[in-house]
Amino acid sequence: DQQVKQNSPSLSVQEGRISILNCDYTNSMFDYFLWYKKYPAEGPTFLISISSIKDKNEDGRFTVFLNKSAKHLSLHIVPSQPGDSAVYFCAATEYGNKLVFGAGTILRVKS
Amino acid sequence: ETGVTQSPTHLIKTRGQQVTLRCSSQSGHNTVSWYQQALGQGPQFIFQYYREEENGRGNFPPRFSGLQFPNYSSELNVNALELDDSALYLCASSLPEDRAGELFFGEGSRLTVL
Repeated sequence: DQQVKQNSPSLSVQEGRISILNCDYTNSMFDYFLWYKKYPAEGPTFLISISSIKDKNEDGRFTVFLNKSAKHLSLHIVPSQPGDSAVYFCAATEYGNKLVFGAGTILRVKS
Repeated sequence: ETGVTQSPTHLIKTRGQQVTLRCSSQSGHNTVSWYQQALGQGPQFIFQYYREEENGRGNFPPRFSGLQFPNYSSELNVNALELDDSALYLCASSLPEDRAGELFFGEGSRLTVL
């Protein structure tokens, strides 16, 4: 029972363009959503989050959008840089006790 | 500020054996969570410890057990290893008052069960 789904295993984008990573969820009790980035041989690192009471959160080049009615969130990276190449995990939590992760999307930014 | 450290980084065991993985939390963090990441999947929550008590458990059998020590470091023990236990085991620390879900992860311990 996958409560958080990332349907695109990989995404390739040209440097300077926009990267859009998508995530769908099924549990309507999730109240907080996060994106983590993971480089090879490193642990995941927190990138950006959004509360269920908001529909947008921005931090520099990174913006997360939440559509609660569609149970969908997306991460926009503008402009994309080669250093953004990594695996991106979408995660959700209910009352902050545990994170439920998606399977991840590999982002490749070509220079 | 010292980050989350895990040991060992890699290990190989055979089916039926037992394994102990160790984690030192980030300085000042009193909450430790363990996650299992199988190949091609996202991390899956195993359990969380807060002030030496288990504070939530995922869908893992009892042969997965843990401990948290007074200095907030933690151990994950897995008994009767099975082939499907082969995975990257991630430890993460946090403070309860931190924003929900903002965990600090270690680099992980990669376990191979033969």
